[in-house]
Amino acid sequence: AQSVTQPDIHITVSEGASLELRCNYSYGATPYLFWYVQSPGQGLQLLLKYFSGDTLVQGIKGFEAEFKRSQSSFNLRKPSVHWSDAAEYFCAVAARGTDKLIFGTGTRLQVFP
Amino acid sequence: GAVVSQHPSRVICKSGTSVKIECRSLDFQATTMFWYRQFPKQSLMLMATSNEGSKATYEQGVEKDKFLINHASLTLSTLTVTSAHPEDSSFYICSARERTRRSGGELFFGEGSRLTVL
Repeated sequence: AQSVTQPDIHITVSEGASLELRCNYSYGATPYLFWYVQSPGQGLQLLLKYFSGDTLVQGIKGFEAEFKRSQSSFNLRKPSVHWSDAAEYFCAVAARGTDKLIFGTGTRLQVFP
Repeated sequence: GAVVSQHPSRVICKSGTSVKIECRSLDFQATTMFWYRQFPKQSLMLMATSNEGSKATYEQGVEKDKFLINHASLTLSTLTVTSAHPEDSSFYICSARERTRRSGGELFFGEGSRLTVL
């Protein structure tokens, strides 16, 4: 069955520290891969996506993610976290050519000053 | 960026009543909208795909008679929870794809609607 695993439910980092949020997926073929961010009271916003090509993807707000086929992973990274990055982060996959997203359970990021 | 608005953001209703949630694309046209349900500390689960001018496509296990979806225009989809029960209490989120974009492009999400059934 298709699934997305975000093993870290809650992560706390200090402002200025680096960040890596983990995402693993189980899928028959390489799907489309996404990271979304949800701030309180707001809808989900797309940070970045991977369809094909370069496995290191750059997104908005200084985020990047690396697709590793051998590990079925698509981890999200940021070199220096800002207090405004505190939010819920969702990894998602979709079969190629579709919009039917399968989401992970999310990782809540807390940032301390 | 494109904006999707949901209304109401919070609703409390009595068991047995019906509740309608609206999802509007404010500055773009959407032939396809999606409805999700999110339980506390769980994933967003896709409930159905709403297509303008045609019947919605429901995911396996979702009762189409309970969760009525109508997509009457290119900017509005509605989800009606009929004869609501406490177990229907949840966070409902919609998303929309801009009409001219291919599948796999960016979806724009609403802020979500929290339903509480007493």
